[in-house]
Amino acid sequence: DSGVTQTPKHLITATGQRVTLRCSPRSGDLSVYWYQQSLDQGLQFLIQYYNGEERAKGNILERFSAQQFPDLHSELNLSSLELGDSALYFCASSVGLAGVDEQYFGPGTRLTVT
Amino acid sequence: AQSVTQPDIHITVSEGASLELRCNYSYGATPYLFWYVQSPGQGLQLLLKYFSGDTLVQGIKGFEAEFKRSQSSFNLRKPSVHWSDAAEYFCAVGSFLNRDDKIIFGKGTRLHILP
Repeated sequence: DSGVTQTPKHLITATGQRVTLRCSPRSGDLSVYWYQQSLDQGLQFLIQYYNGEERAKGNILERFSAQQFPDLHSELNLSSLELGDSALYFCASSVGLAGVDEQYFGPGTRLTVT
Repeated sequence: AQSVTQPDIHITVSEGASLELRCNYSYGATPYLFWYVQSPGQGLQLLLKYFSGDTLVQGIKGFEAEFKRSQSSFNLRKPSVHWSDAAEYFCAVGSFLNRDDKIIFGKGTRLHILP
């Protein structure tokens, strides 16, 4: 158990809909990262937040957004969903700002868009 | 452009045999290199990382990796694999030191263990 929790574990929704994925980092970790893992794209970094502020941006679509709240939990919002958004979404957390710190991954949320 | 290549999609070894998983990278600056393992149905776990210093890095679960700058490689090794090592292994390069930095993962190598 990494100490990072993600809810829900599974999510099935229809195209065009909007969903919110939630992540609670390990106690004491200030950075939260979001990743998308799919068969065709592999594992891709989406976005990083540090202590409530956006820190780094990867391959995140404009239809996707994220935020980190004062209690440090984070949410990833996916809107206007398309079939291609079906994937496993991971959240990770680390103590500090830089990726040199070990990232602890949650178990993921599997999103299926039908 | 920054990239990570894991040339082997699948590797099968016998239990007790040695293992080497290949990773080649392309990165403009001095790279930060990582190996992660993903067991079925689980998130990723860091095996080891390299930033500087000794080019032979020891990790958890008996794994080690060697950074070879001249070959742009960071291969993962284990002298004797166990059935529990069956998983997918990801090499990654990058950092988050600057705002535009990011981490790039290879496509992964799935390791199968023969009894």
